[in-house]
Amino acid sequence: TQLLEQSPQFLSIQEGENLTVYCNSSSVFSSLQWYRQEPGEGPVLLVTVVTGGEVKKLKRLTFQFGDARKDSSLHITAAQPGDTGLYLCAGENSGNTPLVFGKGTRLSVIA
Amino acid sequence: DAGITQSPRHKVTETGTPVTLRCHQTENHRYMYWYRQDPGHGLRLIHYSYGVKDTDKGEVSDGYSVSRSKTEDFLLTLESATSSQTSVYFCAISRGVNSGANVLTFGAGSRLTVL
Repeated sequence: TQLLEQSPQFLSIQEGENLTVYCNSSSVFSSLQWYRQEPGEGPVLLVTVVTGGEVKKLKRLTFQFGDARKDSSLHITAAQPGDTGLYLCAGENSGNTPLVFGKGTRLSVIA
Repeated sequence: DAGITQSPRHKVTETGTPVTLRCHQTENHRYMYWYRQDPGHGLRLIHYSYGVKDTDKGEVSDGYSVSRSKTEDFLLTLESATSSQTSVYFCAISRGVNSGANVLTFGAGSRLTVL
């Protein structure tokens, strides 16, 4: 069974601080997806990283896929209260097998 | 909006009663999924479908059945609900890798409480 470990599980920071969330596995994935979920809603896709070493930026969010395609990180610069939510990573295998989800990192940004 | 709706959004039922949750999509996506989300466990796959009448089990399929008689609807049934099935259930859809992306679009969730 493939596993994706996310760390930390919980993170509470002040507005303006930087943070990094990690998603690690011993398995290789063809791509990694990051989702954000707000209370009472379903997860929403933020980004997909496909190539080993790839870096994608989405405003203040920077996503990186590890060179070996086994891990990924999400870095948020100058966090805002609007960044509060549950961040989920999901690994995709080749073919159409279901995604493997991590358990998530719950982020709280305090104004 | 992605065109995926779940019903009911909230349900309270008693142990031993049957429950059916419905997922309806207007996107004509081939793949549909049912997940449950519980504190400390994240999202866990219950069942999924890769076409009409084509379904497969996920990691937590015991106590659940599904049916997909047409592309737009994917039903999740709890034949005899138990308290351990109290959870938030999410439906998701995707076009699949062959259509360019295996990314998921989620519904808003159905909160089920089994007393």
